[in-house]
Amino acid sequence: DGGITQSPKYLFRKEGQNVTLSCEQNLNHDAMYWYRQDPGQGLRLIYYSQIVNDFQKGDIAEGYSVSREKKESFPLTVTSAQKNPTAFYLCASTPTVSGYGYTFGSGTRLTVV
Amino acid sequence: SQQGEEDPQALSIQEGENATMNCSYKTSINNLQWYRQNSGRGLVHLILIRSNEREKHSGRLRVTLDTSKKSSSLLITASRAADTASYFCATDGRGNDMRFGAGTRLTVKP
Repeated sequence: DGGITQSPKYLFRKEGQNVTLSCEQNLNHDAMYWYRQDPGQGLRLIYYSQIVNDFQKGDIAEGYSVSREKKESFPLTVTSAQKNPTAFYLCASTPTVSGYGYTFGSGTRLTVV
Repeated sequence: SQQGEEDPQALSIQEGENATMNCSYKTSINNLQWYRQNSGRGLVHLILIRSNEREKHSGRLRVTLDTSKKSSSLLITASRAADTASYFCATDGRGNDMRFGAGTRLTVKP
């Protein structure tokens, strides 16, 4: 079955640590996205990539980094510079051709301890 | 920055009733999409409407788009308890990146 897999489902981070969230898709989609969702809030765009080896900052990129070395993979690193990282992180993908909806992963819930 | 804003923030109805949610946005769009999210899960794409379309149907869902008013509505007919979820509208930004509103939390009571 095609889809997007995010791992881990739950992640705990100590103060000052970097952590990496995994996102893998087997849909052959060119574009991939990372969103952050806070309780009771909508989604805010962190980073997106429309092609391998290229990515753009979204609205809240500070304290995060990404890479896109393979079409299937778009990992997100939450760095120690992100002062309030506790949130629900969602990865999505879509064909770059306009007119298609996003396919979302099931999310990673990150908590700072 | 969030492009769409849903209204109301929360909606509670009885099973069998219709549910209407509205979305307003600020800038011109190519398309507008509606998504559903069950608690603690990822979003599921429901329907996409292009800027040159005025209405679209999918099963019990009906979406309208009024580009002159920069607004859209999602109607769920004959609601079921399983429709309980948060519903988000999303609009395309500068490129192929979508911006989401804060959502409408729908509760359907059995």
